Amino acid sequence: GAVVSQHPSRVICKSGTSVKIECRSLDFQATTMFWYRQFPKQSLMLMATSNEGSKATYEQGVEKDKFLINHASLTLSTLTVTSAHPEDSSFYICSASHSPGQETQYFGPGTRLLVL
Amino acid sequence: GQQVMQIPQYQHVQEGEDFTTYCNSSTTLSNIQWYKQRPGGHPVFLIQLVKSGEVKKQKRLTFQFGEAKKNSSLHITATQTTDVGTYFCAGRAAGNKLTFGGGTRVLVKP
Repeated sequence: GAVVSQHPSRVICKSGTSVKIECRSLDFQATTMFWYRQFPKQSLMLMATSNEGSKATYEQGVEKDKFLINHASLTLSTLTVTSAHPEDSSFYICSASHSPGQETQYFGPGTRLLVL
Repeated sequence: GQQVMQIPQYQHVQEGEDFTTYCNSSTTLSNIQWYKQRPGGHPVFLIQLVKSGEVKKQKRLTFQFGEAKKNSSLHITATQTTDVGTYFCAGRAAGNKLTFGGGTRVLVKP
């Protein structure tokens, strides 16, 4: 149980375009989802926390208008990288937990974004 | 803000040997979690420690939470090639978000 999927797994786009990444909890309802960014051989950096039906909480230094997060249902959260630039190239990973009080986070397989 | 540091950053281990990786927090934690990320993969939850001085074992892996709840360790015995990957600790102070350490990248020499 507790499977989280992400789509797409890999995306290459041109500079200036927008890219949407989907994160789905397949066998449980995720009231809370997290979006992380990971640079090569580095740790996970939390970008934002999204709760179903409410606005996402962004970490300091993360641009809300640049990284749009929508958590429309208990099984789906989306991250849209708007007007992508080469410096946005990274590995984006989502995770989900059963409830705000549930400590364990289940990670998706990640999306590797390359902006040309 | 809360900081979580892991040492060593890299660990080269001969197959069959033991090693330990350490995790230190700048603040007292309500709990600490450990994750493993295989090369090219995503983090997978291993365990959570909540109590002061808690010790938990998973086969060849032993996890310990410090008495002051500011540090933790992961000890692996008889390392195998399947242990290759990056081990992250993640600590949560009361009411705060989960903060990941920098990870310990483990390479196993056969």
